Amino acid sequence: DAGITQSPRYKITETGRQVTLMCHQTWSHSYMFWYRQDLGHGLRLIYYSAAADITDKGEVPDGYVVSRSKTENFPLTLESATRSQTSVYFCATRTGPETQYFGPGTRLLVL
Amino acid sequence: GQQLNQSPQSMFIQEGEDVSMNCTSSSIFNTWLWYKQDPGEGPVLLIALYKAGELTSNGRLTAQFGITRKDSFLNISASIPSDVGIYFCAGQIGGAQKLVFGQGTRLTINP
Repeated sequence: DAGITQSPRYKITETGRQVTLMCHQTWSHSYMFWYRQDLGHGLRLIYYSAAADITDKGEVPDGYVVSRSKTENFPLTLESATRSQTSVYFCATRTGPETQYFGPGTRLLVL
Repeated sequence: GQQLNQSPQSMFIQEGEDVSMNCTSSSIFNTWLWYKQDPGEGPVLLIALYKAGELTSNGRLTAQFGITRKDSFLNISASIPSDVGIYFCAGQIGGAQKLVFGQGTRLTINP
């Protein structure tokens, strides 16, 4: 099916561990985005990418690393997970003029 | 960073009632978007607005891009149970590819 897949859908980890969240699109859209969703904050942009090998910081990038070696993949890595990174993470692509299509999300719990 | 103030934060209504929610900002936006999020899923685009004063409908949903370009509202007429969810406004500033999201309006419907 065309669209965005995120994996894993659910993840429990411990403080200090490295975690990588995967995002894959079946299209070839240039722009991809990572958001986190927390109660009272809506969706906040972590990082985005305009094309393969081009990434830039969003509103809340601290503690996260991204890469984009292929157009269709945009992994997000928490190098040393903290409890404050417990959240729901959404990947998105730009599908039209200023419009974004979202994946199903990854629920991350950091103990 | 940029902020959108979305209100109300939550609504509890009876089935069949009309719903109105809005977003305001101190900044001027070029595009306003309205998304809906069902439990456990990613946000889905409902309506996109590209011009000040624009009024756009999508079935029972109607949204408007404020004349000042600093606000937008979403109306839902004759609500039904499947309208339950969280509604987000989002705005785009200038030539940036990034979106800024409101905190969301949680809609609950009593049958």
